[in-house]
Amino acid sequence: NAGVTQTPKFRILKIGQSMTLQCTQDMNHNYMYWYRQDPGMGLKLIYYSVGAGITDKGEVPNGYNVSRSTTEDFPLRLELAAPSQTSVYFCASSSTSGSYNEQFFGPGTRLTVL
Amino acid sequence: GENVEQHPSTLSVQEGDSAVIKCTYSDSASNYFPWYKQELGKRPQLIIDIRSNVGEKKDQRIAVTLNKTAKHFSLHITETQPEDSAVYFCADPGRYQKVTFGTGTKLQVIP
Repeated sequence: NAGVTQTPKFRILKIGQSMTLQCTQDMNHNYMYWYRQDPGMGLKLIYYSVGAGITDKGEVPNGYNVSRSTTEDFPLRLELAAPSQTSVYFCASSSTSGSYNEQFFGPGTRLTVL
Repeated sequence: GENVEQHPSTLSVQEGDSAVIKCTYSDSASNYFPWYKQELGKRPQLIIDIRSNVGEKKDQRIAVTLNKTAKHFSLHITETQPEDSAVYFCADPGRYQKVTFGTGTKLQVIP
């Protein structure tokens, strides 16, 4: 199993540009998450999904959108990029199987907005 | 998991000493308490977790204790080694899997 994969690894955007961060997991997990981590800081939840077709806002959703059309994929869309969105973005997944379980993280996408 | 407080934010210990990090949560319905380790430039990875039906869990040099009455859980690392240097996060999924992470503790083990 590849686990959780993210693309791209790095990206530089100009202010106002848009992009999609890709996230795929091959563990058949029903829960998926997007976090951002600013330098020296903790993980802030952007959006999460409890299953295909269901998404919900986290702590910092403004400026982002998500979709979950399949169990495997959970892309994060940035519209009109701003310098405040410069961060490292982590995707994660977990399986509940009746109780809460470990989150598996992808390797991260380092985004810089100039 | 709406509100999770983690202390201290930084911790320096001599190699071989013990380290303790504490998290306080607010949702009384929370029943799963994980700890993640994040090395510099890497992704967070689970190192130990505990469920609400037990008070303590140990795995070699690391342990987690839970006090449901006081709503806090702690990470204990004994006989610290330089490779324990990292940032440690607690997390609380709450009752709806809307996971909240603590603010992190940067642990430095001095050889």
